[in-house]
Amino acid sequence: QKEVEQNSGPLSVPEGAIASLNCTYSDRGSQSFFWYRQYSGKSPELIMSIYSNGDKEDGRFTAQLNKASQYVSLLIRDSQPSDSATYLCAVAGFQGAQKLVFGQGTRLTINP
Amino acid sequence: KAGVTQTPRYLIKTRGQQVTLSCSPISGHRSVSWYQQTPGQGLQFLFEYFSETQRNKGNFPGRFSGRQFSNSRSEMNVSTLELGDSALYLCASSRDKQGNSYNEQFFGPGTRLTVL
Repeated sequence: QKEVEQNSGPLSVPEGAIASLNCTYSDRGSQSFFWYRQYSGKSPELIMSIYSNGDKEDGRFTAQLNKASQYVSLLIRDSQPSDSATYLCAVAGFQGAQKLVFGQGTRLTINP
Repeated sequence: KAGVTQTPRYLIKTRGQQVTLSCSPISGHRSVSWYQQTPGQGLQFLFEYFSETQRNKGNFPGRFSGRQFSNSRSEMNVSTLELGDSALYLCASSRDKQGNSYNEQFFGPGTRLTVL
């Protein structure tokens, strides 16, 4: 079992719709959860962090965390073509270490 | 506030050579982590430095090493380069953890290494 799993996609969503990205992780001791966006040829850019169960909203982005189910998700409302990128789920706290363990990423395409 | 900077941005080396990559963290950030990104393996953790000490290490051979200076700047070195070392090498900086929460890591632009 991979430590952090994401659907690789590609996920295609029409402009203006909600894009839903999902991630599961294996270590129940994980403490901190992050979503990064990576455009082709660029480095990852942090877009959301979440530390406790529930929802966290920031503009068009909502992160959801369920530690009991070991599940993290990212919702993007009113999707724009500029949201087309690879979205990486990252988990910190594996075995108590300050390192990020990444999923393989979900490639998202927003169709105008 | 300036972001994480990495130099050089691009490198071309041949097998057997060695390479040194440099990273300057965000001002005030004392933790610096290094990651390797390849199409096949994705983003993988190399090591993390805090206060000039390596605090965590990933599953990479000893050819990969690093260090951190008193001003938190960090370097990583790869010796005896192999074709498989071709990758994007990313540096990320963060504040230290607080309690059980791990602070956000911010990435630099990366160094694209090509080994011929």
